[in-house]
Amino acid sequence: QKEVEQDPGPLSVPEGAIVSLNCTYSNSAFQYFMWYRQYSRKGPELLMYTYSSGNKEDGRFTAQVDKSSKYISLFIRDSQPSDSATYLCAGGAGRRALTFGSGTRLQVQP
Amino acid sequence: GAVVSQHPSRVICKSGTSVKIECRSLDFQATTMFWYRQFPKQSLMLMATSNEGSKATYEQGVEKDKFLINHASLTLSTLTVTSAHPEDSSFYICSARDRDRVGSDTQYFGPGTRLTVL
Repeated sequence: QKEVEQDPGPLSVPEGAIVSLNCTYSNSAFQYFMWYRQYSRKGPELLMYTYSSGNKEDGRFTAQVDKSSKYISLFIRDSQPSDSATYLCAGGAGRRALTFGSGTRLQVQP
Repeated sequence: GAVVSQHPSRVICKSGTSVKIECRSLDFQATTMFWYRQFPKQSLMLMATSNEGSKATYEQGVEKDKFLINHASLTLSTLTVTSAHPEDSSFYICSARDRDRVGSDTQYFGPGTRLTVL
């Protein structure tokens, strides 16, 4: 079993839709979680960083962590074609490298 | 802030040659840098953790003599792919952790280097 599981998609939505991206994890030692966005042939770009259970909002993005069920989510409101990318969730503990999910490809149709 | 650069962005080389990739943290100091490899439509695979002034820690299955890592300063780490072969063709991405950002374990990624070995 992978430490971080993520549906690879692709997920196709119309412009303006609310997007829900999800990951589950198995490592109870994870202390913090991150969401990265990666455009084709580019390096990942940090979107959200969360340390505890609950919600964290930044503009159109909301990250949600439920440590009791080991479930993390990223919501994108009013999705735009420019949001089309691969979204990677990751868990981390201490100073170790992040453990990434496989990524979900999102396509927002204009 | 927290910008990481990589050079070159793209390299094509002949089989048997060695290729060096540089990773720099431009506006912060990084005691720890990470090197990843990514195949098309797949996630990031951690290759090694690079700590300034000490030997890199390689993940299981990664040949340390094949992928030489040097972290000589707080802003520079290099990955050298020695005697490259076509199967080494991949997208190599580095990331760095900001030493001075208290309480943050965020990894900031470079733009990646696409290596093609003919």
